[in-house]
Amino acid sequence: EVQLVQSGAEVKKPGESLKISCKGSGYSFTSYWIGWVRQMPGKGLEWMGIIYPGDSDTRYSPSFQGQVTISADKSISTAYLQWSSLKASDTAMYYCARPTSVAGIDYWGQGTLVTVSS
Amino acid sequence: EIVMTQSPATLSVSPGERATLSCRASQSVSSNLAWYQQKPGQAPRLLIYGASTRATGIPARFSGSGSGTEFTLTISSLQSEDFAVYYCQQYNNWPKLTFGGGTKVEIK
Repeated sequence: EVQLVQSGAEVKKPGESLKISCKGSGYSFTSYWIGWVRQMPGKGLEWMGIIYPGDSDTRYSPSFQGQVTISADKSISTAYLQWSSLKASDTAMYYCARPTSVAGIDYWGQGTLVTVSS
Repeated sequence: EIVMTQSPATLSVSPGERATLSCRASQSVSSNLAWYQQKPGQAPRLLIYGASTRATGIPARFSGSGSGTEFTLTISSLQSEDFAVYYCQQYNNWPKLTFGGGTKVEIK
């Protein structure tokens, strides 16, 4: 069974750094892209970027380029989303997802709620 | 970047009635269009891909149509569990995927 299991909720202060994770199982982690999706409170889904764990090829949506870092450690089948300096506006639910070029996103993580507040 | 526009923002429908949701792309995405359902507190769920192919386990009352820039999701007879927010997404410009703003289907 394919599963994407994300790390738990985080509460941080503005200016702090953060790295959240997404562990894939039940499939060949290095053979599928993994993406990240932001959902701000009460708002829609926003595509942030994507990584191919097989060779770490990473692409960012223009809105998120330079704002976050996406990485992966294929040895432990885990993808990451990282901030170096959080802002209150980063408060959101973040989902990892497994998109394909032929069938949309077939698997989603359960989401990680990030709250940034002073 | 391809912009996806969904309409209406909110659709009020009575149980048992048909719901028709629209999605428009700013440029052609061929048939590389997916629809998702999201209920409160849950991750989105894939309903339709390839504009018209139902994902595994999705009931036949959900159907998708369209190609190019105009797409439609139809729910033939709304059940109580179908009241949710629906998103379209293009994946033609791989790997630069974009979502529409969503349509909330609420009980009339």
